[in-house]
Amino acid sequence: SQTIHQWPATLVQPVGSPLSLECTVEGTSNPNLYWYRQAAGRGLQLLFYSVGIGQISSEVPQNLSASRPQDRQFILSSKKLLLSDSGFYLCAWGGNMVGEYFGPGTRLTVL
Amino acid sequence: ELKVEQNPLFLSMQEGKNYTIYCNYSTTSDRLYWYRQDPGKSLESLFVLLSNGAVKQEGRLMASLDTKARLSTLHITAAVHDLSATYFCAVGSNDMRFGAGTRLTVKP
Repeated sequence: SQTIHQWPATLVQPVGSPLSLECTVEGTSNPNLYWYRQAAGRGLQLLFYSVGIGQISSEVPQNLSASRPQDRQFILSSKKLLLSDSGFYLCAWGGNMVGEYFGPGTRLTVL
Repeated sequence: ELKVEQNPLFLSMQEGKNYTIYCNYSTTSDRLYWYRQDPGKSLESLFVLLSNGAVKQEGRLMASLDTKARLSTLHITAAVHDLSATYFCAVGSNDMRFGAGTRLTVKP
């Protein structure tokens, strides 16, 4: 069966520091991969999605970037975090016929 | 741009009662998804609706899709406390858009 991993689970970072969040998927090949952000008490905002290695689509222009160096690996990065980057970051795989399956999430607090 | 609206945003129910959550979307789509999120947790897929008139049921939850009206409903039958959570609908394919969520509280 398919499994999706995210790490770290929680992260506290100072403003202006860099960020790297990692997501990996097991049990499937060539998945569509997604990064979402959820602000406290809010809905989900799609940040990036990828249909294959090196293929990234950005939904929201901001100081975040994403990369997909391997088929089942999706990385979310920032060179300098802002206070507004705080939130719950969710990685997901799937799409279309099966919907999306979400990882456990990373809770990021920027101070 | 695809917009997805859910209502109500907050719902407090008594155990044993029935209620419906509504999800409207702005552009044509033949795929709609429902998710559940418990506090502090990730999202769990509940239903995938892939065609007009699709109806799916799991326990006390039933979801339906009317693509012509651009409307999906999530009906709760005889609510129990364990159903307390936030429910999201989502529409789209690669660029999926989520509703704001309905926070459901079921009281004894």
